[in-house]
Amino acid sequence: EAQVTQNPRYLITVTGKKLTVTCSQNMNHEYMSWYRQDPGLGLRQIYYSMNVEVTDKGDVPEGYKVSRKEKRNFPLILESPSPNQTSLYFCASNKRGQGGSGELFFGEGSRLTVL
Amino acid sequence: GDSVTQMEGPVTLSEEAFLTINCTYTATGYPSLFWYVQYPGEGLQLLLKATKADDKGSNKGFEATYRKETTSFHLEKGSVQVSDSAVYFCALNRKNTDKLIFGTGTRLQVFP
Repeated sequence: EAQVTQNPRYLITVTGKKLTVTCSQNMNHEYMSWYRQDPGLGLRQIYYSMNVEVTDKGDVPEGYKVSRKEKRNFPLILESPSPNQTSLYFCASNKRGQGGSGELFFGEGSRLTVL
Repeated sequence: GDSVTQMEGPVTLSEEAFLTINCTYTATGYPSLFWYVQYPGEGLQLLLKATKADDKGSNKGFEATYRKETTSFHLEKGSVQVSDSAVYFCALNRKNTDKLIFGTGTRLQVFP
């Protein structure tokens, strides 16, 4: 089954404790992206990757890091989480070269709470 | 910059009522337009899309028409069901780019 898998789905942590949210897709997609969803703000892009070893900042990259060492994986790293990073996070992927088809495939989300 | 504006929710309807969720956009050129749906506890999934002016996207009884003259892409359904309760996101992207720009989402609640 084609899917984007995120882990963990739920996490409560404390300020400053490094954490990683993993994302893996089994569709051989080149493009992967992280979004955060906050009430009244919709989805905002954090980082994206066009392919292996190619990453770039989205609209709200501060406080986050990513890596793309393999095509299927795109982890999101919070080196020193702060309460304003409490949010619902989504990983998404897309096969490039479809003329901007726009069909992003989303994971089920990771709800993060930073105390 | 490019942006998408959606009507505020929640939209509350009785089953079998007619649904309209308004969406307007600002973009250079002629973007592709999308509606995504997010059911409770799930990620977003594509509902329908339109890639050029006057195109009509449709799926599961939902429709939206790409109106260049009014820069709009309103979502409609003739008869909603309780199972349509979800958050609906309007989005755009420019041709040949991968980035989607989302609206803030509109929550739909349908009661029996």
